[in-house]
Amino acid sequence: AQSVTQLGSHVSVSEGALVLLRCNYSSSVPPYLFWYVQYPNQGLQLLLKYTSAATLVKGINGFEAEFKKSETSFHLTKPSAHMSDAAEYFCAVSALNSNSGYALNFGKGTSLLVTP
Amino acid sequence: DSGVTQTPKHLITATGQRVTLRCSPRSGDLSVYWYQQSLDQGLQFLIQYYNGEERAKGNILERFSAQQFPDLHSELNLSSLELGDSALYFCASSTGQGGTLAGGIGELFFGEGSRLTVL
Repeated sequence: AQSVTQLGSHVSVSEGALVLLRCNYSSSVPPYLFWYVQYPNQGLQLLLKYTSAATLVKGINGFEAEFKKSETSFHLTKPSAHMSDAAEYFCAVSALNSNSGYALNFGKGTSLLVTP
Repeated sequence: DSGVTQTPKHLITATGQRVTLRCSPRSGDLSVYWYQQSLDQGLQFLIQYYNGEERAKGNILERFSAQQFPDLHSELNLSSLELGDSALYFCASSTGQGGTLAGGIGELFFGEGSRLTVL
């Protein structure tokens, strides 16, 4: 079964510093990977997705992620953190569930704190 | 605004009771997904419907059921509620039927959730 593991439930960075949120995947087939962001009291919003085209994927709000098959990783980065980036971030993989249907399997999430 | 509408936003009920959560997908989306978010379990996939038919099933308890109606809105029914059912329940929609081995899955658009508190 396809799954993802997010390393670090909480990450704290200073405003202007590099943001690095880690995600490793487990999949027996080429994975389709996603990063979603959840702001307080809101639903999840897609940041970016990897669907086997380019290994470096650019998303919204200056975020990007690189698919590394050798490391089974799909880490999310942003060169310079803004206060508005403080949120919960979820890595997800498209997974085959019962009844031969697909859904997204999410990691536990990483809470990003940005300090002035 | 994702275009996905969930009601109610907040619900407080007692153990043993039954509640119904409602979801209206984005205009044109045929698939509806239900997820449960709790502090200990994270985001858990419950069930998916595509154009009125069940398409995928995840970790959904037998006390829970869902359906999708001809107008494509969906309802999640939770019965014999327990304290542990307290969680945020999200609905998401997408245009496709949920992907294929080659095609994966498209973007999911999430509602703002329904927060259920069982006392």
